[in-house]
Amino acid sequence: QVQLQESGPGLVKPSETLSLICTVSGGSISSIGSYWGWIRQPPGKGLEWVGSIYYSGSTYYNPSLKSRVTISVDTSKNQFSLKLSYVTAADTAVYYCARHVGYNYGRIDYWGQGTLVTVSS
Amino acid sequence: DIVMTQSPDSLAVSLGERATINCKSSQSVLYSSNNKNSLAWYQQKPGQPPKLLIYWASTRESGVPDRFSGSGSGTDFTLTISSLQAEDVAVYYCQQCYSSPPTFGQGTKLEIK
Repeated sequence: QVQLQESGPGLVKPSETLSLICTVSGGSISSIGSYWGWIRQPPGKGLEWVGSIYYSGSTYYNPSLKSRVTISVDTSKNQFSLKLSYVTAADTAVYYCARHVGYNYGRIDYWGQGTLVTVSS
Repeated sequence: DIVMTQSPDSLAVSLGERATINCKSSQSVLYSSNNKNSLAWYQQKPGQPPKLLIYWASTRESGVPDRFSGSGSGTDFTLTISSLQAEDVAVYYCQQCYSSPPTFGQGTKLEIK
């Protein structure tokens, strides 16, 4: 059973960089056909895909965030990470890490519990 | 981006009755190569991450009760709960996995009448 756990600061100042790590357990992040993604959900609102990465390092980003997003992978630690630069209050959300099945925007079969990141001075 | 629109926004159904949630995509999500619709349904309970219920529009994820079913093709899809149970109270989302970026419907809140 694959498990994912997000970690990182819960409070980020405006204009700074949000940084989160997702640790994968119960399976290898190098598993063929598994793509590792970030999805966010502003409080009380819907879901927005941020981007995803394959163990090889290939990245895929939502065009709406592409200029500010970097996703990277560390296969030795079974982790992948998210950096979102120049954050504003609009980036306040629960950030989920997740596994896409089969391709970089496939269905999501495993989700982390999510971590709330608040952007505020 | 493909826009996903769900209806209704909220729904109240009596225990044991049928619940039906609709999802419409702004363009077809049918793959001609395999004749499958790239559409998934998720259930999200308060304080929890979404849970995958249905993929390929009608394939139930392992462990999902058979009272949950999905149907539809092209641009119009439906999630049906045949006999509502108390534990089914949640927000339900559809997602298209046809093209990047994957997009979600706005959600449908299901409550007990």
